[in-house]
Amino acid sequence: DAGVIQSPRHEVTEMGQEVTLRCKPISGHNSLFWYRQTMMRGLELLIYFNNNVPIDDSGMPEDRFSAKMPNASFSTLKIQPSEPRDSAVYFCASRAQVGTEAFFGQGTRLTVV
Amino acid sequence: AQSVTQLDSQVPVFEEAPVELRCNYSSSVSVYLFWYVQYPNQGLQLLLKYLSGSTLVESINGFEAEFNKSQTSFHLRKPSVHISDTAEYFCAVSEKGGSEKLVFGKGTKLTVNP
Repeated sequence: DAGVIQSPRHEVTEMGQEVTLRCKPISGHNSLFWYRQTMMRGLELLIYFNNNVPIDDSGMPEDRFSAKMPNASFSTLKIQPSEPRDSAVYFCASRAQVGTEAFFGQGTRLTVV
Repeated sequence: AQSVTQLDSQVPVFEEAPVELRCNYSSSVSVYLFWYVQYPNQGLQLLLKYLSGSTLVESINGFEAEFNKSQTSFHLRKPSVHISDTAEYFCAVSEKGGSEKLVFGKGTKLTVNP
């Protein structure tokens, strides 16, 4: 398996633009996590899906952020409109089942100017 | 809700010295515990995990961690570090039952100097 695949690896966008980050989890995994990593806040959990259903989105910063998982092999994280303070590395991770480890993608480095 | 505290944001040590990275968690139920490592510009990789059974768990590269329920701790240790161990280390907790989400501490940057 190729592991968790995220795209793009780098994204530079202007303030106010819409940004969409993509994630393909490992086949057969039924949990998917989106995290944001910054120097100030560390690794924050944004949202967690189980069997394509959002279970906990309490970490989503505000209404500008939305996440979807239309099927077991694809998820998106959208920011609209983007702001400079959204600049961070966004990670997607998937897990086969509870009690097993999560596998991380390489991350998307987002810069909003 | 569960939470993780990593008490040291940075730990500098000399090569071949022992190291301990501290992790404390908070939860009202039983937990699974993990240590992940992140090398520069990469994603996180699992280092070791505690699910049940023996409270002492080991990784293939010489790290070990001990689950202490009474102290709600899961400290990471290595008796002799190498330059290649320089990285950021994250402790994570997932509750058994409940939302079962995976929550991380803020990380500890380990720097091994020659």
